[in-house]
Amino acid sequence: AQSVTQLGSHVSVSEGALVLLRCNYSSSVPPYLFWYVQYPNQGLQLLLKYTSAATLVKGINGFEAEFKKSETSFHLTKPSAHMSDAAEYFCAVTAKAAGNKLTFGGGTRVLVKP
Amino acid sequence: DAGVTQSPTHLIKTRGQQVTLRCSPKSGHDTVSWYQQALGQGPQFIFQYYEEEERQRGNFPDRFSGHQFPNYSSELNVNALLLGDSALYLCASSPLALAGGLHETQYFGPGTRLLVL
Repeated sequence: AQSVTQLGSHVSVSEGALVLLRCNYSSSVPPYLFWYVQYPNQGLQLLLKYTSAATLVKGINGFEAEFKKSETSFHLTKPSAHMSDAAEYFCAVTAKAAGNKLTFGGGTRVLVKP
Repeated sequence: DAGVTQSPTHLIKTRGQQVTLRCSPKSGHDTVSWYQQALGQGPQFIFQYYEEEERQRGNFPDRFSGHQFPNYSSELNVNALLLGDSALYLCASSPLALAGGLHETQYFGPGTRLLVL
């Protein structure tokens, strides 16, 4: 079985400040990890993914995430927040053994203050 | 290139009714998965279709059923609707299966918001 824990259901950052969203996973087999973003009343947009290549993964909109096996973490960062980053962010895990089924965390809502 | 499309965008039903939601995968994709996202929660996996068969199923009752057509589009059917079925229903598609297994990346549609009164 796989699971994801996102620490902090809400995060508030000032425009221009660092964005850090935490994700810890549990998986008995090598995982694939994803970050998705969801804007109000919309579906999920893929930000980035880790699929066992480089441990530091760069995504769209200036986001990046680092896979740390020893810490079972896949935290998402962005050096400088923009107002357009206000959204909900979901971390998800799957594995070949899981047949491509995604298991999501509960989400973190990001508020960006001017 | 159209992404994943879903219809309708919104739907209102009453308890006990039945509903059908539709999904067209992204061009070149043959695997379709459905997820339920209740308000304030992360999406939960309902089931996955590949080669017109249900390949995996999450922890959802038999009231939830689906179908995949030869053109890879899919339907989600929910019978005997309950108030708790109110949610955003998301469809996701994946590219053609790789040698050795299904592709790991899923692309989501905009969802269908279902309200059960």
